[in-house]
Amino acid sequence: DIQMTQSPSSLSAFVGDRVTITCRASQSIKNDVNWYQQKPGKAPKLLINTASNLQSGVPSRFSGSGSGTDFTLTISSLQPEDFATYYCQQSSSTPLTFGQGTRLENK
Amino acid sequence: EVQLVESGGGLVQPGGSLRLSCAASGFSFSSHWMNWVRQAPGKGLEWVANLEKDGGEKHYVDSVKGRFTISRDNAKNSLYLQMSNLRAEDTALYYCARGLKAWGYNLDYWGQGALVTVSS
Repeated sequence: DIQMTQSPSSLSAFVGDRVTITCRASQSIKNDVNWYQQKPGKAPKLLINTASNLQSGVPSRFSGSGSGTDFTLTISSLQPEDFATYYCQQSSSTPLTFGQGTRLENK
Repeated sequence: EVQLVESGGGLVQPGGSLRLSCAASGFSFSSHWMNWVRQAPGKGLEWVANLEKDGGEKHYVDSVKGRFTISRDNAKNSLYLQMSNLRAEDTALYYCARGLKAWGYNLDYWGQGALVTVSS
């Protein structure tokens, strides 16, 4: 199984900050990584698919990059509605696996 | 508008069975892979199973193989998860999630979840 190691597990930041979350795969997965945002009591929302493709309707302050084993999600200027938990997920092979999540909190 | 609505959750004793359903609307259900993903209380996301568009190819996480069965009825726009021999560690919110048309392992729409509690 492909393990996804996400860091940090939690992060405190101010509105307006630039934030980066990383995800490392246990083996090369080309660009088969997705990023999701989950707010308390809500279902996850797909933000970015295939490492860097922004889903329709997702603000352009979100971006993704990486290939092989190392991937990043960047929020260029944090907004109040961005405080949430973020997960990476590999879509290369089953079982599909998620990172353990990054909880982004308001400092 | 794409909608996925799960039902069938509840409290069940260890060793018991439960069947979850997911009613889909607002899109061509038969054109998409479908997935079940679960989230234990206060924990992260765990993919459970997925199923090809015509119900042929299916995959499971090891921890549920032999106990859970994923199926679909394209005429009814519905996805199912039959769960048997349930364990305490199966307690979770179970989400139904649609796979992207281009690649079914990218999950672009999710339901609100059905809560399954396994306890005596």
